[in-house]
Amino acid sequence: DAGITQSPRHKVTETGTPVTLRCHQTENHRYMYWYRQDPGHGLRLIHYSYGVKDTDKGEVSDGYSVSRSKTEDFLLTLESATSSQTSVYFCAISRQGNEQYFGPGTRLTVT
Amino acid sequence: SQQGEEDPQALSIQEGENATMNCSYKTSINNLQWYRQNSGRGLVHLILIRSNEREKHSGRLRVTLDTSKKSSSLLITASRAADTASYFCSWGTQGGSEKLVFGKGTKLTVNP
Repeated sequence: DAGITQSPRHKVTETGTPVTLRCHQTENHRYMYWYRQDPGHGLRLIHYSYGVKDTDKGEVSDGYSVSRSKTEDFLLTLESATSSQTSVYFCAISRQGNEQYFGPGTRLTVT
Repeated sequence: SQQGEEDPQALSIQEGENATMNCSYKTSINNLQWYRQNSGRGLVHLILIRSNEREKHSGRLRVTLDTSKKSSSLLITASRAADTASYFCSWGTQGGSEKLVFGKGTKLTVNP
């Protein structure tokens, strides 16, 4: 596996609480991505980053914010979690913007 | 939505048989990629084919790309039980290849 870790790997939280997921890479890749994976929808891009402090929205960004203060870390925050944000979240990295390397995923349940 | 379609959604074959999965997309692309996902794991990159290429091979994998039809196919030859996984196509759009759009995947089961 590429040097990507995600934390936590599993989380159960209540509706309305803030949640932050962390993606950490040791590859020094420029691009980092957050996706969510849901049955029937495949993989959908939430936000991505093309450098420190440089981020952009993806297809399903509503309700999510991101930050990248260091090359190696990309944080995904749900300001006020809702049940519709129950999903599996994947982080990915890319050097040139082509092949992406994925982390192991975080399973988030919002009750 | 920019998502395309993958066909079939599920495929069950016997070990040793070939498996073919198809992908259709909607936009102009720079490249098309295929990924594999084992149950409960992250996606793993398999192969990338550029928009000016028509066919590419990697081991038991053969990918074709028809940009006029906006479609691609992935052929796995002499399948093994270990090939059981979900397979996703994805594409980078022209002018923005750093973002990928993923299909919904084909779930392949190879029976021993």
